[in-house]
Amino acid sequence: EPEVTQTPSHQVTQMGQEVILRCVPISNHLYFYWYRQILGQKVEFLVSFYNNEISEKSEIFDDQFSVERPDGSNFTLKIRSTKLEDSAMYFCASSPDTSQETQYFGPGTRLLVL
Amino acid sequence: SQKIEQNSEALNIQEGKTATLTCNYTNYSPAYLQWYRQDPGRGPVFLLLIRENEKEKRKERLKVTFDTTLKQSLFHITASQPADSATYLCADLGGYQKVTFGTGTKLQVIP
Repeated sequence: EPEVTQTPSHQVTQMGQEVILRCVPISNHLYFYWYRQILGQKVEFLVSFYNNEISEKSEIFDDQFSVERPDGSNFTLKIRSTKLEDSAMYFCASSPDTSQETQYFGPGTRLLVL
Repeated sequence: SQKIEQNSEALNIQEGKTATLTCNYTNYSPAYLQWYRQDPGRGPVFLLLIRENEKEKRKERLKVTFDTTLKQSLFHITASQPADSATYLCADLGGYQKVTFGTGTKLQVIP
């Protein structure tokens, strides 16, 4: 069964450094998303992306964040200058164009900012 | 803004019993209300979706109900098994596929 993959599984970085989290969505899906989950808290929406554009973003997704689909398979989340409070699990998700109700989540990248 | 509330942080039940989890929303009635399962350190896994105009949806041992008068959805697992132990998330699928999650209910099925 096709699945969303994410790399790396864990990332440790120093405060102020840039990080890029990578995702490979399911191949025929057209809608892509990033979510984050701070330890012990709920899953929070960051951004949705369709047709090479951001469809919607939350108040968390400020100027420090950006997303990109650099080629036909990858979907990336960049954090320009990481802060301690960016430490969280980051989940990528994708959905097909005809069944937008269902999102398929990847296993996540655990980001630790020191 | 919409809030999704799952009032029970944890629920322990005996194997074989029916688990019932509650989800309340505070504002508008979601067009689509979803239920996910999340295991520790893993991403949410979609289980069921119920539309605003549907009263009930079933899938194998799972059942979801939607009561727009009470602003509530109930999620049932019948004949529960220890393998059903996980955190269950209720979510509102909003515009542009933005999903608003509840905090989840951690279910523990005791053998």
